[in-house]
Amino acid sequence: KNEVEQSPQNLTAQEGEFITINCSYSVGISALHWLQQHPGGGIVSLFMLSSGKKKHGRLIATINIQEKHSSLHITASHPRDSAVYICAVEGGGADGLTFGKGTHLIIQP
Amino acid sequence: GAVVSQHPSWVICKSGTSVKIECRSLDFQATTMFWYRQFPKQSLMLMATSNEGSKATYEQGVEKDKFLINHASLTLSTLTVTSAHPEDSSFYICSVGRQVRETQYFGPGTRLLVL
Repeated sequence: KNEVEQSPQNLTAQEGEFITINCSYSVGISALHWLQQHPGGGIVSLFMLSSGKKKHGRLIATINIQEKHSSLHITASHPRDSAVYICAVEGGGADGLTFGKGTHLIIQP
Repeated sequence: GAVVSQHPSWVICKSGTSVKIECRSLDFQATTMFWYRQFPKQSLMLMATSNEGSKATYEQGVEKDKFLINHASLTLSTLTVTSAHPEDSSFYICSVGRQVRETQYFGPGTRLLVL
């Protein structure tokens, strides 16, 4: 079973700061997902990646398959970015996702 | 992206009753749907994989007789929590994906509180 570790667990930053959230996993995967969970519980998929780097607006996600590590970056952070960010991995086949415990991010004005 | 709905969004019930949660894929046909639950301040955990027209695949430690899954059509999967107890109180969420290795789309979730 894959072990997914995220760091930090909690992060408070000031508006405008550059944010980095890390994710590592123990077993080779076919894809890694970054998810955003809002206070009400709803989940939005931010990225799905299996190699390299993806960028969407102020969000950047990278993955290093050899090191079994991924990072999510937020540039020019804003209070509306406050949420729980979850890393999830999937293996081959039709298995569902294995989740990290999430990083609780608070961006203060 | 895909639109996934869940119903109900909130349910409060007495211990011993059964609760049915629906997950609907509104704009594409999903042969596979996934059911997760999340206890407070914990990570999401995969409960089962719902397969259209066949039996669901349950993760280790999830009682298949307690959490009944029916995936009778390509747009609807239901999770029934039978004889619910307070320890079943949780946030239940489903997801669908067009294929393995593609983006997963999540339903809004159902909060279950068993008194």
